[in-house]
Amino acid sequence: EAEVAQSPRYKITEKSQAVAFWCDPISGHATLYWYRQILGQGPELLVQFQDESVVDDSQLPKDRFSAERLKGVDSTLKIQPAELGDSAMYLCASSSPGQASYEQYFGPGTRLTVT
Amino acid sequence: SQQGEEDPQALSIQEGENATMNCSYKTSINNLQWYRQNSGRGLVHLILIRSNEREKHSGRLRVTLDTSKKSSSLLITASRAADTASYFCASEYNNDMRFGAGTRLTVKP
Repeated sequence: EAEVAQSPRYKITEKSQAVAFWCDPISGHATLYWYRQILGQGPELLVQFQDESVVDDSQLPKDRFSAERLKGVDSTLKIQPAELGDSAMYLCASSSPGQASYEQYFGPGTRLTVT
Repeated sequence: SQQGEEDPQALSIQEGENATMNCSYKTSINNLQWYRQNSGRGLVHLILIRSNEREKHSGRLRVTLDTSKKSSSLLITASRAADTASYFCASEYNNDMRFGAGTRLTVKP
């Protein structure tokens, strides 16, 4: 069964350093999402792509976060510089708008710890 | 920002009992979805109910939707230890999906 791939699974970094996460969605899924999940809370959308275009980045802290999906396939989320409050799980998900359901398929996530 | 609230925040039951979780949301929806998350893992889609549906079943899962009250409930019947996880509702409108804070379910063997 096709899955969303994410790497790394765990990342520890010092504050003020740069960090990057990678996501490879399910083949053929045009829509890709990055979420941040703080421990004990639900996922919050950071950015949504339709193919290579950003369709929603209203909750992305643009002074330090950036995201790209250059060829409309895999995607990278970057934080520079990292802050202590960025410690969280970063989840990537994909969906196919051709489906009526808009069900999202999630990757295993990257657990970020900023020290 | 998060769209909805789940109730209760945590639920502990014995294996074989039923578990009911409730969700409230704030705006119009096209559909409402329920997801499960095992500790430290990604979310897994469980079931979707459209705004014009009132009840839906999938195996041991039963979901209801009351759009007049902007609320939904998830019932897991005959629970198993493997059902231990966090459960999130997500309201979707025009491909904008917002998650609640989740219910942490513990099923004791």
